[in-house]
Amino acid sequence: SQKIEQNSEALNIQEGKTATLTCNYTNYSPAYLQWYRQDPGRGPVFLLLIRENEKEKRKERLKVTFDTTLKQSLFHITASQPADSATYLCAYVDTGRRALTFGSGTRLQVQP
Amino acid sequence: GAGVSQSPRYKVAKRGQDVALRCDPISGHVSLFWYQQALGQGPEFLTYFQNEAQLDKSGLPSDRFFAERPEGSVSTLKIQRTQQEDSAVYLCASSSQVEAFFGQGTRLTVV
Repeated sequence: SQKIEQNSEALNIQEGKTATLTCNYTNYSPAYLQWYRQDPGRGPVFLLLIRENEKEKRKERLKVTFDTTLKQSLFHITASQPADSATYLCAYVDTGRRALTFGSGTRLQVQP
Repeated sequence: GAGVSQSPRYKVAKRGQDVALRCDPISGHVSLFWYQQALGQGPEFLTYFQNEAQLDKSGLPSDRFFAERPEGSVSTLKIQRTQQEDSAVYLCASSSQVEAFFGQGTRLTVV
């Protein structure tokens, strides 16, 4: 069955650097992948969606890539700020379903 | 309302007690989802409604879990005879297209 995996170790970076988070899937390429941000005590908030036939998507300081050969999506935050500190979740929708399947999330900590 | 609203925010239940969690989705959103999130994990799917029809309940962990959305708007997730393993955050999400909008969740602690 399809699995979606994110690095469970926290990522610590300095303010101003680029943060790169990884999402790997194990089997078939999903039609699209979504990235969400979750702050403690809050629900996930949608950030970006990238389709299987798109290589890259950008939104302000955020960039997402989708590599079907590597079975991987990368999520980048450029010029990171302490306010970017949160847990970032990737998710996909399984064929024939409507619900999202989430990875376990990666916690990002941006140090001032 | 402006977003998805869930109540209560926190619930402490004694083992064996029944609980009811409420979700008020964004007005006009046809799709409504319930997820369960354990500490340090991503949300896990429980059940899905399209209007008042429960189209997928494959994620409900046992027959103690029951969800309804009788008028296609507000939804209630009910857990009967709560067990300690039910302790988690229960998230509700609604959507009209692809993007899902989540509520803040209800943190359930079973003691």
